[in-house]
Amino acid sequence: GAGVSQSPRYKVAKRGQDVALRCDPISGHVSLFWYQQALGQGPEFLTYFQNEAQLDKSGLPSDRFFAERPEGSVSTLKIQRTQQEDSAVYLCASSPGQGNTIYFGEGSWLTVV
Amino acid sequence: QKEVEQNSGPLSVPEGAIASLNCTYSDRVSQSFFWYRQYSGKSPELIMSIYSNGDKEDGRFTAQLNRASQYISLLIRDSKLSDSATYLCVVNMIGGSYIPTFGRGTSLIVHP
Repeated sequence: GAGVSQSPRYKVAKRGQDVALRCDPISGHVSLFWYQQALGQGPEFLTYFQNEAQLDKSGLPSDRFFAERPEGSVSTLKIQRTQQEDSAVYLCASSPGQGNTIYFGEGSWLTVV
Repeated sequence: QKEVEQNSGPLSVPEGAIASLNCTYSDRVSQSFFWYRQYSGKSPELIMSIYSNGDKEDGRFTAQLNRASQYISLLIRDSKLSDSATYLCVVNMIGGSYIPTFGRGTSLIVHP
């Protein structure tokens, strides 16, 4: 597609439930980023892929968070045993390469109740 | 100290005025800099990128980079009501990493 596509756009999860958020980057983009954005804050880095390699996962807040990009294209961010503090917008962005402009998807709004 | 600092605002300007948004960053070797605009409930969208010291103009927008002072600004001339949004400063190459690092954003309100 023409832009970064994320699904689901909105997800309500019960506390303790597992969720999976999908990102389909711009075709040909090597770099893929996941960010978490809380209300009133700027996006906070979670993890970075270059092709299928996860080069940086230093921003993942706990071992309940896991991300993969097995074929170097679509990526999935998985959150296990969700907690209320996981409620946020999860933004995926892709880029042609290091240092280039990054382009965002519309985000996945997660609410944990 | 956060690596990319912005005043959260809100910055309120009248329609037609110049809005000035500022940002400082912590790493002297940072290489590329971006301004994104984010409307409420939407994802960030790129306004401008700047890589060299000095000014870069694009329509009503001018980005300014001062590497010596580790300072970036965005000027919006002839502000319009539709410019009301949060403006995010983004810096690449902090601490040797190419991970784009965001400031918390400055809320701009353009009033009639």
